[in-house]
Amino acid sequence: QVQLRESGPGLVKPSGTLSLTCAVSGGSIRTNNYWSWVRQPPGKGLEWIGEIFHSGRTTYNPSLKSRVAISLDKSSNQFSLNVTSVTAADTAVYFCARAPQEQVVDYFDFWGRGTLVTVSS
Amino acid sequence: SSELTQDPAVSVALGQTVRITCQGDSLRNSYASWYQQRPGQAPFLVIYGKNKRPSGIPDRFSGSTSGNTASLTITGAQAADEADYYCHSRDSSGNHIFGGGTELTVL
Repeated sequence: QVQLRESGPGLVKPSGTLSLTCAVSGGSIRTNNYWSWVRQPPGKGLEWIGEIFHSGRTTYNPSLKSRVAISLDKSSNQFSLNVTSVTAADTAVYFCARAPQEQVVDYFDFWGRGTLVTVSS
Repeated sequence: SSELTQDPAVSVALGQTVRITCQGDSLRNSYASWYQQRPGQAPFLVIYGKNKRPSGIPDRFSGSTSGNTASLTITGAQAADEADYYCHSRDSSGNHIFGGGTELTVL
């Protein structure tokens, strides 16, 4: 059973950089899956941030693309998220999730528990 | 359009059937997937593809698509089904998109 676990600071100052890591266990990050970050502001819906394929190819939400970077660490079986120039609007629960590579249908079959990141001075 | 539209809230009497819908142009070319999210928990997958259920999901959950509308149907709703439900697919640019979510109340 694949498990994902997010980790990182729970508090980030405005204009700073939010950095999170997702550790993957029970399976290799080198398989044909997409590894995504999704966030959820308090009381609101889900917003996809971006994804990385095992090849290292990334795709980002156009609304966040200028501030986001996702990277892979195959040796540690984890992937990471950086969001720069954060504001209070970036306060959210951040989830990491896995999406198998399939045609016609996309779905996230495994999710981390999520970690709350608050942007505040 | 690269959006998925859901009704914000739906209610159903205990034991009755409820349909939650999701509209969007992306659904003409790909199936939606559906997630249940209870307060304070991560979303988890309940339906994907052409009406596929992950292991452990009760068969009272089913999915269907017609044109640009995907539907999640719960037949014989239980109190445990009270949660938020989100639809999801990729848009034509390859970006993942989520519906705004539907809050299901079981009366």
